[in-house]
Amino acid sequence: DVQVTQSPSSLSASVGDRVTITCQASQDISKYLNWYQQKPGKAPNLLIFDASTLETGVPSRFSGSGSGTDFTFTITTLQPEDVATYYCQQYDHLPPTFGEGTKVEI
Amino acid sequence: QLQLQESGPGLVRPSETLYLTCAVSGGSVTSTTFYWAWIRQPPGKTLEWIGSKYFSGSIYYNPSLKSRVTIEADSSKNQVSLKLDYVTAADTAVYYCARDLFKGLFDSWGQGALVTVSS
Repeated sequence: DVQVTQSPSSLSASVGDRVTITCQASQDISKYLNWYQQKPGKAPNLLIFDASTLETGVPSRFSGSGSGTDFTFTITTLQPEDVATYYCQQYDHLPPTFGEGTKVEI
Repeated sequence: QLQLQESGPGLVRPSETLYLTCAVSGGSVTSTTFYWAWIRQPPGKTLEWIGSKYFSGSIYYNPSLKSRVTIEADSSKNQVSLKLDYVTAADTAVYYCARDLFKGLFDSWGQGALVTVSS
């Protein structure tokens, strides 16, 4: 299985801060990396697919970049409603695999 | 708008079979555009893909669970089901059904169903 290593595992930031999360794959996954947001007690919500494409309806303060093995997820201006756990997930190789998550707090 | 709703027993005894269904509304399980997936999340842990089924036949399972899992789609009820045999405490998790756009791109999720394996 392709391992996806996410960091940091948690972070605390202030409203208005820029937040960056990284994800590293154990092998080349091209652009096939997605980012999900999961709020407590809720299902994950797709934010970004194929490394950098914003899902419809997702605020533009969320963005993603990268290819190959190294990827970055950014929240340009952190909002209170962004408190959640964020997961990266690769789907270039079966089985699809998820990172361990990054818990974002304010 | 697509809506997915999981249902099934919240408690399953060890060595028995877990059975969940996912009712699909606002879309059809017979669609030839999408797969339908099951994903689970043990308490406090990350997500694990269980498998994805294409209505016309193709199906992919996680090798770690393949010997115990069956995913089926029922067009008459417009629902997708998950059967997991010989469960243990390690199978305790929230189980989600999701629409899978292409072998791992999950764009719409149900609310999830907590299943506890305990005697």
